[in-house]
Amino acid sequence: EVQLVETGGGLIQPGGSLRLSCAASGFTVSSNHMSWVRQAPGKGLEWVSVIYSGGTTYYAGSVKGRFTISRDNSKNTLFLQMNSLRAEDTAVYYCARDKSNGYYYMDVWGKGTTVTVSS
Amino acid sequence: SYELTQPPSVSVSPGQTASITCSGDKLGDKYACWYQQKPGQSPVVVIYQDIKRPSGIPERFSGSNSGNTATLTISGTQAMDEADYYCQAWDSSSNVVFGGGTKLTVL
Repeated sequence: EVQLVETGGGLIQPGGSLRLSCAASGFTVSSNHMSWVRQAPGKGLEWVSVIYSGGTTYYAGSVKGRFTISRDNSKNTLFLQMNSLRAEDTAVYYCARDKSNGYYYMDVWGKGTTVTVSS
Repeated sequence: SYELTQPPSVSVSPGQTASITCSGDKLGDKYACWYQQKPGQSPVVVIYQDIKRPSGIPERFSGSNSGNTATLTISGTQAMDEADYYCQAWDSSSNVVFGGGTKLTVL
């Protein structure tokens, strides 16, 4: 079964760091484009970052320079290192598998992990 | 940066047709997709590549995309279709872009 399971969320003080993990099963992370998408409480979806199958990475302007996306091929796991966290980073963070061939969409989503940035 | 605009809310009576729009500059030149998100759940793609339905998505869901507007149409809307719907496209300057979301109410 194709599945994504996010872990690593929690309560963190402003300025702190957190690393999110997304364990994949049923497919190979490194063979796919993989994204992180977040959703602040009561708000819409916001794309955060992508790592392409070839290893190229991109970030939303709101997190560029503070967040780093990476993957561990041996563990078939995607990561999001989040530094210098701010209150506005509070959200449910989802990882997703991207499908791209001229078109672009996310066909598999995890259940999400909650990050709360507060003192 | 590229932006997609959706109406905040749409209401429809059971059995009727619901249309949710998504507007963006020359959106018809890109591919749009649509996600359904019910409370407390993860998004699920219901339309991709403008008009295609993933397996398991009911035929009552359809999509179109032309000019500056993509549209998600739900024919014979059912109570179970009540959810938030998000459009999404890819743009070379902004990468993945989501619309602000539309709350569909079936009443």
